[in-house]
Amino acid sequence: NFMLTQPHSVSESPGKTVTISCTRSSGSIASNYVQWYQQRPGSAPTTVIYEDNQRPSGVPDRFSGSIDSSSNSASLTISGLKTEDEADYYCQSYDSSNFWVFGGGTKLTVL
Amino acid sequence: EVQLLESGGGLVQPGGSLRLSCAASGFTFSSYAMSWVRQAPGKGLEWVSAISGSGGSTYYADSVKGRFTISRDNSKNTLYLQMNSLRAEDTAVYYCAKGTIFGVVMSDYFDYWGQGTLVTVSS
Repeated sequence: NFMLTQPHSVSESPGKTVTISCTRSSGSIASNYVQWYQQRPGSAPTTVIYEDNQRPSGVPDRFSGSIDSSSNSASLTISGLKTEDEADYYCQSYDSSNFWVFGGGTKLTVL
Repeated sequence: EVQLLESGGGLVQPGGSLRLSCAASGFTFSSYAMSWVRQAPGKGLEWVSAISGSGGSTYYADSVKGRFTISRDNSKNTLYLQMNSLRAEDTAVYYCAKGTIFGVVMSDYFDYWGQGTLVTVSS
């Protein structure tokens, strides 16, 4: 089994850029797609990035996803931060033995 | 507009049973795989179970295998999760989530989620 490790929390000011990492413990991060879900307090998750770097319609281009094979990690970058971006963010991937695996989540504070 | 509305949660004693439902609307229900994903209080997300569009293929996380059963009634646009032999560690908000294709394929993702229903297992 593999794990996806995220920082517990990050904070940044409005208008700035923040990057949230997601490190895969075993197996190549590049071998299986990574998704990112946003969960605002008291709400259900929504998809902000799928298939490593694709944005669903309606998600602003301030959100971007990338993969770094050298660190075996995925990243979610949010530019031009807004207070409405304050939420928990979860990465998710899979492999043939584990179906869907989520990271532990990162709490983004925009202050 | 896609809508997923879960129901059936509540308080149940350890060893008890509960059946969750998820009423779907706004899309052709039978054309898409569906999943249940849970979130324990203050914790992260955990995938629980998935079912193909026809209901012919089902999958479970090891933590619930043999205790939970996923099913669907495409004539009623409804997804179910029968939960037996419940344990304290099953306490969570249970979300139903829609896949983007018919089959259960791990490269798929969840494009819509319901608001969740809370299951509390306690004596």
